[in-house]
Amino acid sequence: GQSLEQPSEVTAVEGAIVQINCTYQTSGFYGLSWYQQHDGGAPTFLSYNALDGLEETGRFSSFLSRSDSYGYLLLQELQMKDSASYFCAVKGGGFKTIFGAGTRLFVKA
Amino acid sequence: SQTIHQWPATLVQPVGSPLSLECTVEGTSNPNLYWYRQAAGRGLQLLFYSVGIGQISSEVPQNLSASRPQDRQFILSSKKLLLSDSGFYLCAWKVAGGDEDEQFFGPGTRLTVL
Repeated sequence: GQSLEQPSEVTAVEGAIVQINCTYQTSGFYGLSWYQQHDGGAPTFLSYNALDGLEETGRFSSFLSRSDSYGYLLLQELQMKDSASYFCAVKGGGFKTIFGAGTRLFVKA
Repeated sequence: SQTIHQWPATLVQPVGSPLSLECTVEGTSNPNLYWYRQAAGRGLQLLFYSVGIGQISSEVPQNLSASRPQDRQFILSSKKLLLSDSGFYLCAWKVAGGDEDEQFFGPGTRLTVL
């Protein structure tokens, strides 16, 4: 079957760094995406990794290791507005994307 | 610029009633279109996707159906709603054939079946 595993909750302090891990097992793999979703809102795209390595976009970075079927999202200089759910998602075979169950990030003052 | 619309924003329906949710995209042509359902506090479950007019792929067997009568219109329907159909329904679009996997989501419809 296909599965993505990520922690259900993470808590961190404002200004700190937090890493959200994602391991996947899918029948096909083209790349790993990350999305952010605030309560009651729609998911918004953060990043996409098709190749191994680290991609940086401002305070957010995303990493992929295809050989380990593993990736992570790194959030630096945490702000209160970063409190949200974060989803990893795999672009697999065909035209579909499989989403993980999400990690709820709580940022405390 | 591209925009995606969904309506209604919220809906309360009795068990056994029909359902029709509409999604339209503006500012792009021949997008890939998706319907997802999200239960409270959970991830996104892919329900249907479409790569062109009249082309629908179903991911989960259930009492829902989808149609794409026009290039930028995607409709989710049911003849008889079940309690388990309650959830947050999200429509999304993506550039067909794009290298990245960036999907753009609509504002969603929160459906409660009583």
